[in-house]
Amino acid sequence: AQSVTQLGSHVSVSEGALVLLRCNYSSSVPPYLFWYVQYPNQGLQLLLKYTSAATLVKGINGFEAEFKKSETSFHLTKPSAHMSDAAEYFCAVRRSGGSNYKLTFGKGTLLTVNP
Amino acid sequence: GAGVSQSPSNKVTEKGKDVELRCDPISGHTALYWYRQSLGQGLEFLIYFQGNSAPDKSGLPSDRFSAERTGGSVSTLTIQRTQQEDSAVYLCASSLRKGGEETQYFGPGTRLLVL
Repeated sequence: AQSVTQLGSHVSVSEGALVLLRCNYSSSVPPYLFWYVQYPNQGLQLLLKYTSAATLVKGINGFEAEFKKSETSFHLTKPSAHMSDAAEYFCAVRRSGGSNYKLTFGKGTLLTVNP
Repeated sequence: GAGVSQSPSNKVTEKGKDVELRCDPISGHTALYWYRQSLGQGLEFLIYFQGNSAPDKSGLPSDRFSAERTGGSVSTLTIQRTQQEDSAVYLCASSLRKGGEETQYFGPGTRLLVL
């Protein structure tokens, strides 16, 4: 079984500060990993994904994440936070085989950006 | 092009009534997923359709929940005899699978409130 743990249900940063959202996964096989962002009253938008190619993945809006197998982590970072980054962020895992590619999500981290 | 659309965007119903939620996937996408987002449970997989194969219903929480996908396109999620614990945001996602690669694109969701 696969699972995802997001450390910190709420993260608050100042505008211009580093954003670090933590995600650890548990999977018996090499996983595919995703970060999605959800703005208020909207659906989920894909930020980036890891599919066993490069371990450092760059996504949209200046976000990136690094897959670290030894730490079973896939933390999301952005060097400088913008007010528009305020949203809820979800880490998700999916198995690399089989036919049902359902996503298993973490509980989410709400990012607040202070002026 | 057009993204995944869902209707209605909001639905308020009385306990015991049946509701139908609709999902229009991205044209040409062969895979379609339903997820539920609730305060207590986070984001959970409900059901998965892939082409003409039998759906994977393993995430449906009870036999009051059912879904169909007509003509390999539009999908309807039906909840019979709604209960207050069914209140949640129901999200639909579609994808085009190429080999082992797939990115799920989410709709804006239907917010269901059962009184």
